[in-house]
Amino acid sequence: EPEVTQTPSHQVTQMGQEVILRCVPISNHLYFYWYRQILGQKVEFLVSFYNNEISEKSEIFDDQFSVERPDGSNFTLKIRSTKLEDSAMYFCASSVTSGGEDTQYFGPGTRLTVL
Amino acid sequence: ILNVEQSPQSLHVQEGDSTNFTCSFPSSNFYALHWYRWETAKSPEALFVMTLNGDEKKKGRISATLNTKEGYSYLYIKGSQPEDSATYLCARNQGGKLIFGQGTELSVKP
Repeated sequence: EPEVTQTPSHQVTQMGQEVILRCVPISNHLYFYWYRQILGQKVEFLVSFYNNEISEKSEIFDDQFSVERPDGSNFTLKIRSTKLEDSAMYFCASSVTSGGEDTQYFGPGTRLTVL
Repeated sequence: ILNVEQSPQSLHVQEGDSTNFTCSFPSSNFYALHWYRWETAKSPEALFVMTLNGDEKKKGRISATLNTKEGYSYLYIKGSQPEDSATYLCARNQGGKLIFGQGTELSVKP
């Protein structure tokens, strides 16, 4: 069964460093998302992406964040200068359409620890 | 942002017990409600997508109902098994993005 994959599973970085989190969405999906969960808090939406453009972004997704689909398979989230408060589990998801009734399939997450 | 709330936060049951938990959400401009099952270190697994008031969906021993007028959904597990131990997340679809509740952590003891 097709699945969303994410690498690495755990990333440790120093404050101020750049990190790139990688995702491979399901191959026939067209809509891509990043969510994150800070420990003890709700899973929260960061950004959605379609047709090589950001469709929507949350207030969290400021200039320090960017997303890219560099080739036909990968979808990346870059944090330019990490802060302590960026420590969280980051989830990638994908769906065929953006319709409310369409399932978003999630990857297993990347745990980012900023020291 | 429209808040989605789940209760209880955690639940401990014995194997064989049936259980249920609640997801509540603002009922205005409703489009869809998603249920996920999430085990640590694994991908959240999609259980149900519910759109119509009065909807009832079933997957094995797990079922869910939806009331869009009063803004709640129930998830039921019949005859809980240890492998049902996980966090159950609900999320309201808001224009393509999912707004999640805080989850209900279920622990089933043999």
